Amino acid sequence: DAGITQSPRYKITETGRQVTLMCHQTWSHSYMFWYRQDLGHGLRLIYYSAAADITDKGEVPDGYVVSRSKTENFPLTLESATRSQTSVYFCASSGHSDRKEETQYFGPGTRLLVL
Amino acid sequence: KNQVEQSPQSLIILEGKNCTLQCNYTVSPFSNLRWYKQDTGRGPVSLTIMTFSENTKSNGRYTATLDADTKQSSLHITASQLSDSASYICVVSPLYGNNRLAFGKGNQVVVIP
Repeated sequence: DAGITQSPRYKITETGRQVTLMCHQTWSHSYMFWYRQDLGHGLRLIYYSAAADITDKGEVPDGYVVSRSKTENFPLTLESATRSQTSVYFCASSGHSDRKEETQYFGPGTRLLVL
Repeated sequence: KNQVEQSPQSLIILEGKNCTLQCNYTVSPFSNLRWYKQDTGRGPVSLTIMTFSENTKSNGRYTATLDADTKQSSLHITASQLSDSASYICVVSPLYGNNRLAFGKGNQVVVIP
């Protein structure tokens, strides 16, 4: 039971390049989320998805694009990477956000360095 | 302004000792409050979830308390172990729209032998 996985785990890229971070979950959870985590900040929501083909912006969506053609996958694309996007990116999923005790399950993270 | 404030930012404790982490929040109304543990280099893992009507929840040596009137929560770690070294994150879920969780910056705990 793989749960939720992210790939790659580490990525180094250059300013201006397009980068795609992958997220895959095996629970058939409806909701999926992308966060970034930086020193001095709590986790910040980039985008989330309530179901396949339904996505919405979070707190810091600028410079990112998401898609969700299949329930189990939620890729995050940096269209033209900038140094300020150097961060650790976490994907998460949850079954149903209407349930008060629903928890989010986080992936292991992708550490991205933009040179 | 951050809606979730945690203190202390970091602390060092001796193995076997107890410690208490604090979380103050301004999110209102809220649905539930969660504590997550994040080991270095890993994603956060849920420890406890409390709805607004609950005031305590335990998970092994971890006990979370909630005072909805004062908007405060605490996480108490009993008989700390080296494996408790981690960041502990307080997360508050607004009543309307669980998708927009409010995250604290975390309490960094280091347990030394």
